[in-house]
Amino acid sequence: NAGVTQTPKFQVLKTGQSMTLQCAQDMNHEYMSWYRQDPGMGLRLIHYSVGAGITDQGEVPNGYNVSRSTTEDFPLRLLSAAPSQTSVYFCASSRDSQSSGNTIYFGEGSWLTVV
Amino acid sequence: SQELEQSPQSLIVQEGKNLTINCTSSKTLYGLYWYKQKYGEGLIFLMMLQKGGEEKSHEKITAKLDEKKQQSSLHITASQPSHAGIYLCGADSGSGNTGKLIFGQGTTLQVKP
Repeated sequence: NAGVTQTPKFQVLKTGQSMTLQCAQDMNHEYMSWYRQDPGMGLRLIHYSVGAGITDQGEVPNGYNVSRSTTEDFPLRLLSAAPSQTSVYFCASSRDSQSSGNTIYFGEGSWLTVV
Repeated sequence: SQELEQSPQSLIVQEGKNLTINCTSSKTLYGLYWYKQKYGEGLIFLMMLQKGGEEKSHEKITAKLDEKKQQSSLHITASQPSHAGIYLCGADSGSGNTGKLIFGQGTTLQVKP
């Protein structure tokens, strides 16, 4: 029972490099999302998806791209990393909005440092 | 836009003592989540509240949502070192289960043995 799996757990990037944070869930959840966590600011929503082929922006989308080609996977791409993107990134998934008592599950996080 | 304010921001208690963490919203809450996070780790789901006046308990942790659905509290009874960590409240940013959460800034709890 893997739940939400994120890779890599730790990554150091140079400014201007690109990379993809991977997120996979095995619970057949429709909803998936990416958050970043910065000191004193809680978690902020970057992008989210309500199903395969459907994505939308969250609160802080600039500098990030996403796609959702399958129900299971929701990768987050940094096209040209900047030091301001140094953060901890969390992927989350949940069932669709018609389900009452919806639980949102989070991955274990990806620590990204941009130098 | 909706904001969540947690209080206190940090808390140090002696083992065995009770404590309460509050989460206040600027708008009506349609789904309030409590998570616990240990440093360097992910978020562990604790409880989710939806209805005004709702109360849920798990082991020594009780969460309540007030009747007006604008404030939630998390109460820990007889705290233990294992309760230490960061407690986060999150709320659905829409008017239902959209799967998009906004979060409070977190409350850091230390429990002294």
